[in-house]
Amino acid sequence: EVQLVESGGGLVQPGGSLRLSCAASGFTFSNYEMNWVRQAPGKGLDWVSYISGSGSTIYYADSVKGRFTISRDNAKNSLYLQMNSLRVEDTAVYYCARQNYDNFDYWGQGTLVTVSS
Amino acid sequence: QSVLTQPSSLSASPGASASLTCTLRSGINVGTYKIYWYQQKPGSPPQYLLRYKSDSDEQQGSGVPSRFSGSKDASANAGILLISGLQSEDEADYYCMIWHNSAWVFGGGTKLTVL
Repeated sequence: EVQLVESGGGLVQPGGSLRLSCAASGFTFSNYEMNWVRQAPGKGLDWVSYISGSGSTIYYADSVKGRFTISRDNAKNSLYLQMNSLRVEDTAVYYCARQNYDNFDYWGQGTLVTVSS
Repeated sequence: QSVLTQPSSLSASPGASASLTCTLRSGINVGTYKIYWYQQKPGSPPQYLLRYKSDSDEQQGSGVPSRFSGSKDASANAGILLISGLQSEDEADYYCMIWHNSAWVFGGGTKLTVL
């Protein structure tokens, strides 16, 4: 059974940093591209970042470029999102999502990041 | 102007059909894009429904009922999610998505109420 479990969320002050993790199981992790998608409270979905299976290709949304870094460790079946210089508007539930060719076929339950003083 | 625009809400009756639109910004031709649709119910992550580019290039998500289908309205520059035979369980938020300029882009979502 495919499972994606996010962790690392919490309360952080503006300007602070946080590292999210996504533990994958039930599939060959290195064969799949992965994404981070966030959702602010009561708002819509907002794509954050993409990484290829090997980690060689990475894309970011303009809103996080230069502040967030996506990475993966295929030996540990894990996806990461390093978030620096956090802003109040980064407050959201962060989901990791598996990309199966061209669609997001599995999503985790999400981890809440709250940026507030 | 947003890349993808969806009506914020839509209401329809059980058993009826609902047509959810996803309008692409002027200058972005819907004919060249695959449109992806996701359903999200309160407290749950989104679920993939289907992909539609043309009648010869479409994909239904695993386990997604055939009541859900995709199409396009070229004259309106829009992708369409059609849900037929509406059921109470179809009440949810629906999001469209495209791959545009090396980024995934979501529409703002449509809240579908079945009453």
